[in-house]
Amino acid sequence: NAGVTQTPKFQVLKTGQSMTLQCAQDMNHNSMYWYRQDPGMGLRLIYYSASEGTTDKGEVPNGYNVSRLNKREFSLRLESAAPSQTSVYFCASWVYYNEQFFGPGTRLTVL
Amino acid sequence: KQEVTQIPAALSVPEGENLVLNCSFTDSAIYNLQWFRQDPGKGLTSLLLIQSSQREQTSGRLNASLDKSSGRSTLYIAASQPGDSATYLCAVIGTGGGADGLTFGKGTHLIIQP
Repeated sequence: NAGVTQTPKFQVLKTGQSMTLQCAQDMNHNSMYWYRQDPGMGLRLIYYSASEGTTDKGEVPNGYNVSRLNKREFSLRLESAAPSQTSVYFCASWVYYNEQFFGPGTRLTVL
Repeated sequence: KQEVTQIPAALSVPEGENLVLNCSFTDSAIYNLQWFRQDPGKGLTSLLLIQSSQREQTSGRLNASLDKSSGRSTLYIAASQPGDSATYLCAVIGTGGGADGLTFGKGTHLIIQP
């Protein structure tokens, strides 16, 4: 079991560029999440997918889009990156009565 | 809106001490509470999960308690070691089925001095 995997691990973008962060889980979990972690702000929820075929906004969705490609995969897209999106991005998955499992994170810098 | 507060924000103690990290939350209608550890530049490692119907959970030298009615949880670390140095995060899931994600505290940065 690989758990939750994320690609890439590191990325540097210029303002206005686009990119997609990939996440996959092999635990057959229904729910998947994208969080961002910033110094002094803690972890905040960007988007979540309660089940395959559904997505919903979290606390800080502006500037992002998501796709739940299938039960395993949940991607996060930045259409036009801004310096304010410099952060560490974590993907997580969850099933009822269990703990959330997190991926190793993607460290994104937008210049 | 649920808010999670962790006290203290930072703690430095000598090796061997027993210590307590505190977590409080404003809305007692939670589904469960989870404690994580995060090492610098790394991801989150789940330490303990406490369901809303439980009072405590133990794993090795770690013991977490939950008092849902007062909105408090504590993480007790026995016989601390330098390898325990990390940031400890507390997070809760609301009773909306839990599918709407965790609400995190900002963490306690713990340093254990050799």
